[in-house]
Amino acid sequence: AQSVAQPEDQVNVAEGNPLTVKCTYSVSGNPYLFWYVQYPNRGLQFLLKYITGDNLVKGSYGFEAEFNKSQTSFHLKKPSALVSDSALYFCAVRDYYSGAGSYQLTFGKGTKLSVIP
Amino acid sequence: DSGVTQTPKHLITATGQRVTLRCSPRSGDLSVYWYQQSLDQGLQFLIQYYNGEERAKGNILERFSAQQFPDLHSELNLSSLELGDSALYFCASSAGIGANSNQPQHFGDGTRLSIL
Repeated sequence: AQSVAQPEDQVNVAEGNPLTVKCTYSVSGNPYLFWYVQYPNRGLQFLLKYITGDNLVKGSYGFEAEFNKSQTSFHLKKPSALVSDSALYFCAVRDYYSGAGSYQLTFGKGTKLSVIP
Repeated sequence: DSGVTQTPKHLITATGQRVTLRCSPRSGDLSVYWYQQSLDQGLQFLIQYYNGEERAKGNILERFSAQQFPDLHSELNLSSLELGDSALYFCASSAGIGANSNQPQHFGDGTRLSIL
């Protein structure tokens, strides 16, 4: 089965500084990778995905992610953090089951991002 | 707004009881997924339906069951509730599920279940 790991439970960054939220993956075959954000008392919101092609993927709210095959990483980045970016961030990998003829998403444990004014 | 609607938003009940959580997927999405989110277990996949048929099961207890109706809405039934079932329950939907499907799942805002 495919898996992702988010090595940091919490990341603190000052407003205006660049931010990075780390994710590493373990897959067989080509990975389909996703980032989601969860604000308090809300569901997960899709930010961006990597399927194939350009290793730098741009998503919503100014976020981008860099796919690195040699390091099996898919880190989420933003050039300048906002206080409103404070939230819980989840990395996910698509796991396709040919027997079921469907896929599931396997999520990391999440990283809490705090942007300090 | 993701387009996925979950009701109720909050549910408080007692141990041993049974509850039903409801989910309406985004317009046009045929697949529905249920997840449980708790502090100690993180986000756990429970079960998936596609166009009325069960397609995949994750870490779903035998006390839990789900179904998807012809109008594509889904219900998650939780019975013989225990204190440990207190969690956020999310529904998500997606359009395709095939090998080449790369569309994201879209999540509702969840039902917060509290067992007293």
